[in-house]
Amino acid sequence: GAGVSQSPRYKVAKRGQDVALRCDPISGHVSLFWYQQALGQGPEFLTYFQNEAQLDKSGLPSDRFFAERPEGSVSTLKIQRTQQEDSAVYLCASSRMSGYLQEQFFGPGTRLTVL
Amino acid sequence: AQSVTQLDSQVPVFEEAPVELRCNYSSSVSVYLFWYVQYPNQGLQLLLKYLSGSTLVESINGFEAEFNKSQTSFHLRKPSVHISDTAEYFCAVSLNNAGNMLTFGGGTRLMVKP
Repeated sequence: GAGVSQSPRYKVAKRGQDVALRCDPISGHVSLFWYQQALGQGPEFLTYFQNEAQLDKSGLPSDRFFAERPEGSVSTLKIQRTQQEDSAVYLCASSRMSGYLQEQFFGPGTRLTVL
Repeated sequence: AQSVTQLDSQVPVFEEAPVELRCNYSSSVSVYLFWYVQYPNQGLQLLLKYLSGSTLVESINGFEAEFNKSQTSFHLRKPSVHISDTAEYFCAVSLNNAGNMLTFGGGTRLMVKP
């Protein structure tokens, strides 16, 4: 596709359920980022991949959050035993290469609501 | 650690009026500065960026921002706004590291009224 895609666009989960959010980056993009955007706030960094290597996961809020990118393309963010405070929009971004000069292209996000 | 402050959560303005969206940052090292725009039901899009060189940077749709190192600011301006500029605007910074992680401000909702 022409841009970053994310699925599902909307997800409603009951507290305690596990969820998996998918990100398809732009083809050939080396770097992939996950951000969490709570209602009324700016996005906050969660984790970063360069190809299949997870180089930074300092933003993951707890060990219930897990991200993978096994083949260096599609990435999945998994949240185990969801809590109400996990409700947010989860944004994925990709860039062609690593480094500060590279523009990040964002997907439309997945809005997660935990009841 | 770096941080970004956008003091105005909402800015209402009439069409064809000028606007300024304020952004201040704090960092102990050099940063690179960005403005992203989010139109309703769309993803974040890069509006403009400052990496080095001229402190005044411009976008293709008439916005401009000026990097002021002494005031640690990167305010966004447009001399005459359109209805179509209604959106959420986010200021962000990145450190000079391989990760290119972005730190965002809380966002400013620009509401252009006819």
